[in-house]
Amino acid sequence: DADVTQTPRNRITKTGKRIMLECSQTKGHDRMYWYRQDPGLGLRLIYYSFDVKDINKGEISDGYSVSRQAQAKFSLSLESAIPNQTALYFCATSGGPGHNEQFFGPGTRLTVL
Amino acid sequence: GQNIDQPTEMTATEGAIVQINCTYQTSGFNGLFWYQQHAGEAPTFLSYNVLDGLEEKGRFSSFLSRSKGYSYLLLKELQMKDSASYLCAVNYGNNRLAFGKGNQVVVIP
Repeated sequence: DADVTQTPRNRITKTGKRIMLECSQTKGHDRMYWYRQDPGLGLRLIYYSFDVKDINKGEISDGYSVSRQAQAKFSLSLESAIPNQTALYFCATSGGPGHNEQFFGPGTRLTVL
Repeated sequence: GQNIDQPTEMTATEGAIVQINCTYQTSGFNGLFWYQQHAGEAPTFLSYNVLDGLEEKGRFSSFLSRSKGYSYLLLKELQMKDSASYLCAVNYGNNRLAFGKGNQVVVIP
């Protein structure tokens, strides 16, 4: 079984719709991250969380919000989707200080028409 | 801001050695990662350097020079399955990673 899972894996939606992407992990990690990946731009950090009560903005948080429902769950929401949010979205997890490697989920391909 | 530079693409022959370079300028430095990513898939961890020098792990080696803001990933005995994008990422503090755009390596027979 995968340690980091994301749902849905693919989603097509229309401009203005609210979308939620979900991430779950069984690694027991405290730290969770959301990235988006665009062709030619690499991975960019949207939000990150170091525990259930901790939420931090990354470099491109505008137009997104997150919720850390439990240690194992971290959701990303697009309140009103727009076409330039079309991208591949990855969730990642890592352990505490000294455990630096991030483990990535399989990704969600989101298309906003 | 964080700046991570990598060449965009290179082609190499099966069985050869290829070196992928990465230069960085970041607000902090707590280590440098290399990830491999096949098209449409998740990045997977290859190596981690926090001190200067060479780290070897099977066919893959990674080098770091903190004073020069420079790293490279060395892939030996190239195989067709090594065709992928190789991502350089810097931990610039609090386990936040800044990624380069990735270097697409194409292995030809």
